[in-house]
Amino acid sequence: NAGVTQTPKFRVLKTGQSMTLLCAQDMNHEYMYWYRQDPGMGLRLIHYSVGEGTTAKGEVPDGYNVSRLKKQNFLLGLESAAPSQTSVYFCASSYPGRLVYEQYFGPGTRLTVT
Amino acid sequence: GQQVMQIPQYQHVQEGEDFTTYCNSSTTLSNIQWYKQRPGGHPVFLIQLVKSGEVKKQKRLTFQFGEAKKNSSLHITATQTTDVGTYFCAGRGWGSQGNLIFGKGTKLSVKP
Repeated sequence: NAGVTQTPKFRVLKTGQSMTLLCAQDMNHEYMYWYRQDPGMGLRLIHYSVGEGTTAKGEVPDGYNVSRLKKQNFLLGLESAAPSQTSVYFCASSYPGRLVYEQYFGPGTRLTVT
Repeated sequence: GQQVMQIPQYQHVQEGEDFTTYCNSSTTLSNIQWYKQRPGGHPVFLIQLVKSGEVKKQKRLTFQFGEAKKNSSLHITATQTTDVGTYFCAGRGWGSQGNLIFGKGTKLSVKP
């Protein structure tokens, strides 16, 4: 099992460019999440999905869009990148059917917007 | 909205000293989880606490959940260099989806 994988690992964008971050999990998890991590700010939830074809806004959704067309994939899109979106992005997944449903995180994508 | 505060933000200890990080929620939680993130790595789940007053131990790590289910702590006895990293608490509120609200983390450094 690869667990949760993220593509790409690093990316540099210019202001106004667009990109899509891909998250894939092979654990058959229902729930998937996108977080951003900034120094001193912890992990903030951008969007999440509780199942294929469903998405919902988290704490900091502005400037991002997501799609969950397949259960194993969760895509995060930046339509017009801004320097404020420079961050490390983590994808996570969880299976809510158990008493303890911890989140499994991917290795992260480090994005710089110049 | 729900907030989870975590202190201290940083802690520098000498190897062998103890370490404690505290977490406080603005609302009652259904449960709380703890994660560890090594430098350059991703958060990794450590434990979940569910019951009021619950105490769980993992070797040198002791986790507590407050009686009111609004606060929690992680205590490490006799720190080692392998304990270096950032420790996050994450509270889950009540509700069908129950997303985690992460504290800002405590970054632990250990001097050999």
